Amino acid sequence: DGGITQSPKYLFRKEGQNVTLSCEQNLNHDAMYWYRQDPGQGLRLIYYSQIVNDFQKGDIAEGYSVSREKKESFPLTVTSAQKNPTAFYLCASKVTSGIYNEQFFGPGTRLTVL
Amino acid sequence: QKEVEQDPGPLSVPEGAIVSLNCTYSNSAFQYFMWYRQYSRKGPELLMYTYSSGNKEDGRFTAQVDKSSKYISLFIRDSQPSDSATYLCAMSAAGNQFYFGTGTSLTVIP
Repeated sequence: DGGITQSPKYLFRKEGQNVTLSCEQNLNHDAMYWYRQDPGQGLRLIYYSQIVNDFQKGDIAEGYSVSREKKESFPLTVTSAQKNPTAFYLCASKVTSGIYNEQFFGPGTRLTVL
Repeated sequence: QKEVEQDPGPLSVPEGAIVSLNCTYSNSAFQYFMWYRQYSRKGPELLMYTYSSGNKEDGRFTAQVDKSSKYISLFIRDSQPSDSATYLCAMSAAGNQFYFGTGTSLTVIP
């Protein structure tokens, strides 16, 4: 069953703590993405990675870090430097082949800072 | 000016109605266009994908792209209560970045 999995579904964090969100895909996609979704603001790009061991900052990378050691995995760490981390986090991957340039999303992780 | 503009709604229609959802954009380099459906507290689900201009139909859904007007549309025929969700438009040029509308909230009333 191919797809993108994110864990955990819900995550609670105390202020000052770092937390890591997991994203795994078995679609054999090269590119992977992290977005943040807040009410009324749409999706904002945090980081993306086109290939293993390479990633680029998106529009709101401050306070976040990522790694891409394996093609299937793209974990996101929300650090204590992120001032307003409570949000819905979405991981995505992309297929590019000919005229196809589609992005697929995981189920999301809702992070709440207490 | 935002890259992509989408009316947030909310939009409320009776069951069986035809729904029209729209987005406008400013970047003439966009050539890949997507519509996603997102239920509350879930990840977006790819509904329709169109490359360049033209129409694409899939069941009750039709996606239209008018590149000359920088305007895309999603039509839902015979709308059902299960269509109640937020609909996001997205688009991309030849690169790796995607640009999203803020989403339109749709409620189909039985």
